[in-house]
Amino acid sequence: QQPVQSPQAVILREGEDAVINCSSSKALYSVHWYRQKHGEAPVFLMILLKGGEQKGHEKISASFNEKKQQSSLYLTASQLSYSGTYFCGTQWGDSSASKIIFGSGTRLSIRP
Amino acid sequence: DVKVTQSSRYLVKRTGEKVFLECVQDMDHENMFWYRQDPGLGLRLIYFSYDVKMKEKGDIPEGYSVSREKKERFSLILESASTNQTSMYLCASSHSGLAGDTDIQYFGAGTRLSVL
Repeated sequence: QQPVQSPQAVILREGEDAVINCSSSKALYSVHWYRQKHGEAPVFLMILLKGGEQKGHEKISASFNEKKQQSSLYLTASQLSYSGTYFCGTQWGDSSASKIIFGSGTRLSIRP
Repeated sequence: DVKVTQSSRYLVKRTGEKVFLECVQDMDHENMFWYRQDPGLGLRLIYFSYDVKMKEKGDIPEGYSVSREKKERFSLILESASTNQTSMYLCASSHSGLAGDTDIQYFGAGTRLSVL
């Protein structure tokens, strides 16, 4: 039931772009994106709702393709501060049930 | 700022002991969650609660129970700790309502539990 994230890990040089994908086997109501820095709690980045538009946050944006049941997180001109593990979380069905099922995470390492 | 506080950052217990992990949130959130985090497996939901005295099983409830006697406090209980329960445990809370900025989960810093 967990959404599938890809890639599992990615290493970038500062300034490069990255895409992280999140796929679900069930129809999605919403997709959440969180980032967890080493030794810290996961922190909310953004939420994409069924029927909603692409969201953006600093140089991080995301899209939600309802037909393909997937979301992608785009990191543009990556900065050292973007390092961490990114989790997508999904909610299913036609209404929010508050429960979120998280993927296994994508570890992003940014090198100077 | 929302604050979710977990009582311990590190905990070492022996096999067979009863273990209590405590979580308190200060934003009057209706929903509270317990996850365990293991390398390569992400965040897996153990139990959650929509209201006081209400609880629902998540994906991996075996070996765990929970208690929610007050709205702000959600406890995870390991009735008889086993070595395969060695993990990082994360508590989270969220507000109920129409989707939007609700359902955003706020996490505690985590408790790293070692069962020897």
